[in-house]
Amino acid sequence: GESVGLHLPTLSVQEGDNSIINCAYSNSASDYFIWYKQESGKGPQFIIDIRSNMDKRQGQRVTVLLNKTVKHLSLQIAATQPGDSAVYFCAAPAGNDMRFGAGTRLTVKP
Amino acid sequence: DADVTQTPRNRITKTGKRIMLECSQTKGHDRMYWYRQDPGLGLRLIYYSFDVKDINKGEISDGYSVSRQAQAKFSLSLESAIPNQTALYFCATSAANYGYTFGSGTRLTVV
Repeated sequence: GESVGLHLPTLSVQEGDNSIINCAYSNSASDYFIWYKQESGKGPQFIIDIRSNMDKRQGQRVTVLLNKTVKHLSLQIAATQPGDSAVYFCAAPAGNDMRFGAGTRLTVKP
Repeated sequence: DADVTQTPRNRITKTGKRIMLECSQTKGHDRMYWYRQDPGLGLRLIYYSFDVKDINKGEISDGYSVSRQAQAKFSLSLESAIPNQTALYFCATSAANYGYTFGSGTRLTVV
């Protein structure tokens, strides 16, 4: 069946460095993808999305890259800050539902 | 006030008890969802509803039931709670199959 997964369960970066979180998907028919951020004790929050007809989309300090050839997308966070510490996961539509990856826990070291 | 409100935030219950988790939203969205989150796993869909008269089973509906009391309210019930239903439960809404808004979650422990 369709799946969405992340490559690493944890990622630790130094404050100020850039972070890259990766995600692989199986359904080549997915027409968009979403990245969510989940802080401790809170529900997932929308960060950024990308349509399948795009290769790159930029937001405030975040960039999502989509490589349809290898079914891979990444979330890049520039100048990572302590407030970026959270679990990040990607999601893709699957019928009437969304498929969510398990998440990468990002820890920012001071 | 939060767009999607879940109650209770935390609950400990005993095996065999019936428990209801409630969700209300102010987004005006037609679609509402209940998900379960376990450590190391992605969110898994329990039930979803596209309008008041529409209820659909998700990936893991066994042991759960739902009620869509109004456009803004969607409750999840565990008829007879068991320990492996210990998890974090999220309600979500969407205007279409896009851009979900999640509640803050209910942490349920079944002892």
